Amino acid sequence: GNSVTQMEGPVTLSEEAFLTINCTYTATGYPSLFWYVQYPGEGLQLLLKATKADDKGSNKGFEATYRKETTSFHLEKGSVQVSDSAVYFCALTSNTGNQFYFGTGTSLTVIP
Amino acid sequence: NAGVTQTPKFQVLKTGQSMTLQCAQDMNHNSMYWYRQDPGMGLRLIYYSASEGTTDKGEVPNGYNVSRLNKREFSLRLESAAPSQTSVYFCASSHDQGPNEQFFGPGTRLTVL
Repeated sequence: GNSVTQMEGPVTLSEEAFLTINCTYTATGYPSLFWYVQYPGEGLQLLLKATKADDKGSNKGFEATYRKETTSFHLEKGSVQVSDSAVYFCALTSNTGNQFYFGTGTSLTVIP
Repeated sequence: NAGVTQTPKFQVLKTGQSMTLQCAQDMNHNSMYWYRQDPGMGLRLIYYSASEGTTDKGEVPNGYNVSRLNKREFSLRLESAAPSQTSVYFCASSHDQGPNEQFFGPGTRLTVL
């Protein structure tokens, strides 16, 4: 079946620190992979996506590379800001897209 | 554009009461979804509608019913609420199925006593 496993939180970093949030997946076929971000009191927003192996998704300084050999899609940012404090969700969907499968979310707090 | 809107934002029910959560989107999307978000469990799909007039069960459909009223609106009904249905409910929409971005509403926080 399909599933997503992401690192447990919460994660607390100082401003300008390097961020990695690990995400691995199990899927049949060739899924598309996503990172969503949820700011306090809001719904989820798409951060970035990759639809095939070796694709790199990027947005707002965040990056993630679709690694088929390690079934991973780790989220990285070189220098975090206080405004990046949020919950980050890794997700996958099959090419038919009937269902999205979300990880449990990783809470990030960035302190000045 | 308002995007995806949900009502109400908050609701408290007693066990056995019924209620309907409303969702509407103004992006002319074909597909709509209902999720629940629980601590430590991420988002789980309850029901989805691939197009107007069709609905299908997701991962956790028991205790819920849905109606795709028209292309814009997709409602979720709890006929007899239980404490296990205490959760945050999100509605989402996308242009079509497939690896397309889903747009989420702000959520409804439901507590069942």
